[in-house]
Amino acid sequence: SQTIHQWPATLVQPVGSPLSLECTVEGTSNPNLYWYRQAAGRGLQLLFYSVGIGQISSEVPQNLSASRPQDRQFILSSKKLLLSDSGFYLCAWREGAETGELFFGEGSRLTVL
Amino acid sequence: DAKTTQPPSMDCAEGRAANLPCNHSTISGNEYVYWYRQIHSQGPQYIIHGLKNNETNEMASLIITEDRKSSTLILPHATLRDTAVYYCIAHGRGNDYKLSFGAGTTVTVRA
Repeated sequence: SQTIHQWPATLVQPVGSPLSLECTVEGTSNPNLYWYRQAAGRGLQLLFYSVGIGQISSEVPQNLSASRPQDRQFILSSKKLLLSDSGFYLCAWREGAETGELFFGEGSRLTVL
Repeated sequence: DAKTTQPPSMDCAEGRAANLPCNHSTISGNEYVYWYRQIHSQGPQYIIHGLKNNETNEMASLIITEDRKSSTLILPHATLRDTAVYYCIAHGRGNDYKLSFGAGTTVTVRA
């Protein structure tokens, strides 16, 4: 069966520090991968999505970036965190172009101080 | 993706059916209706989806109107664990798929 893992689950970072969140999917190949962010009390905001290795589409211009170095690995990064980057970050995958359902990871809660 | 409109919140009594409405009047012929829910501090969970016909699975039923401009998610016997934010999304398939979530409906099941 397919599984998705995100880490770290929780982190507290100072303003201006770098960020790296990792997401891996197991049990499938060539998934579509997504990064979402949810600020406190707010809805889900799509940040990035990827349909293949090295292919990244950005939905919101900001100080975050994403990379997909391997088929089932998706990384969210920042060189310098802002206070507004605090939130709940969710990675998700779906099996391909003809499949609709998204499956989400457990989430990474980031607090920027 | 077609825009969807949901009530911001609703209450439901435990053991009773919960009927969650969603309007998607601009839905196109190749767009599906998907429902997800998000329990506090967790990632969203897929519930059900449909195109034209009504659908049922172990979690819920989905009723889509004949003109496809609205739908209703039915939780047949709501439990306290069904308290969550429920999202209705209308979108197509393909590799330019980018699922956007609105504010959803906050459902509170009361004992």
